[in-house]
Amino acid sequence: DQQVKQNSPSLSVQEGRISILNCDYTNSMFDYFLWYKKYPAEGPTFLISISSIKDKNEDGRFTVFLNKSAKHLSLHIVPSQPGDSAVYFCAASGGNTGKLIFGQGTTLQVKP
Amino acid sequence: DGGITQSPKYLFRKEGQNVTLSCEQNLNHDAMYWYRQDPGQGLRLIYYSQIVNDFQKGDIAEGYSVSREKKESFPLTVTSAQKNPTAFYLCATRKVSSFMNTEAFFGQGTRLTVV
Repeated sequence: DQQVKQNSPSLSVQEGRISILNCDYTNSMFDYFLWYKKYPAEGPTFLISISSIKDKNEDGRFTVFLNKSAKHLSLHIVPSQPGDSAVYFCAASGGNTGKLIFGQGTTLQVKP
Repeated sequence: DGGITQSPKYLFRKEGQNVTLSCEQNLNHDAMYWYRQDPGQGLRLIYYSQIVNDFQKGDIAEGYSVSREKKESFPLTVTSAQKNPTAFYLCATRKVSSFMNTEAFFGQGTRLTVV
């Protein structure tokens, strides 16, 4: 049972345009959501997070939106740069279990 | 130098052998996690521990074992019962707080190949 889903395996955008990566979750106990960026053969690095008490969090070119009623979050990257090309994972945690569950990842390619 | 150290970076194992992957941290984080990455399947949780001498199974614990005897260390043993052990293994740590949510930090990973 995949509790965190990233239904788009890949996304290609032009440099300077907006990249939108999507993530859906099924467990209503999740109350904290995170986005990570990963290059091949390396560990993921933290990008941005959002608590369920908010619907938007912004950090520079990165903005995360949370729609709790739809159990959906998205990561917006504006403007996209070639260095943003990587695999992006969303993750969720909640309750007191300590579990941190990841989605399958979306490979973003930003073309110059 | 603070951080998370996974060793070795590359590991080869013969079928039927057990192998232990090391994860050490000096971030003073309470929680530690083991994930496995396979192509197209994202990061799947194997085991996690929120406190010394306690750990819980993740979504794919079969064929794996862990211990948490020290706060700094969370070794993962891949046993011969694991049918498809070839994968990229990632260790993560996270500060546990009653007052705020926190992000997890990852090591650089260990690539295990069964030959």
